[in-house]
Amino acid sequence: QSALTQPASVSGSPGQSITISCTGTSSDVGGYKYVSWYQQHPGKAPKLMIYEVSNRPSGVPDRFSGSKSGNTASLTISGLQAEDEAHYYCSSYTPNTALDRVFGGGTKLTVL
Amino acid sequence: EVQLVESGGGLVQPGGSLRLSCAASGFTFNNYWMSWVRQAPGKGLEWVANIKKDGSEKYYVDSVKGRFTISRDNAKNSLYLQMNSLRGEDAAVYYCARDFAAGTTDYWGQGTLVTVSS
Repeated sequence: QSALTQPASVSGSPGQSITISCTGTSSDVGGYKYVSWYQQHPGKAPKLMIYEVSNRPSGVPDRFSGSKSGNTASLTISGLQAEDEAHYYCSSYTPNTALDRVFGGGTKLTVL
Repeated sequence: EVQLVESGGGLVQPGGSLRLSCAASGFTFNNYWMSWVRQAPGKGLEWVANIKKDGSEKYYVDSVKGRFTISRDNAKNSLYLQMNSLRGEDAAVYYCARDFAAGTTDYWGQGTLVTVSS
């Protein structure tokens, strides 16, 4: 069982918006600003999409946004495009445990 | 351009050993913490270990403590993972990762596959 809880799958049509949730505890998501999101296409390495809850690395489209409320972080993708179909993983720094970080179990985004 | 290139994966019997390497280029290697993150076939991501910029601090997930050792050679811009007493549950793609903030990776290698089977 993963430390952070994500829905197994979400779907949306091109042009629509979707949101993926990531629920943890006050020891990880709720306690620190170091929540990040990664996109992974099949057979490829993960790619950083959002860091520190809501910041986008250079080159990531502004269609991708992140937020956090309490122990739950969210990734929103607006204006869905076919190339957004991938797995998405959230992650949180968690220094008060034996781990450095924990990941969510991943969410498969299907663009219909 | 930041590049991380892993090598050293392969098929190993349970109880065996492997040493993974990661060659880094395109950035000042000794300015960054580095991590190993693994992904079992069809599964999610799992942080394995990380190491401070100068190698003075190392941290591991409980399941590999005492069996895996992370190290780095800043003169060679290289990261390593010595894996001993390998188990079936260690089978995964192992990614070399650059950490640019607490618990946050900004660049990943392409991964190297470790298969543990008799």
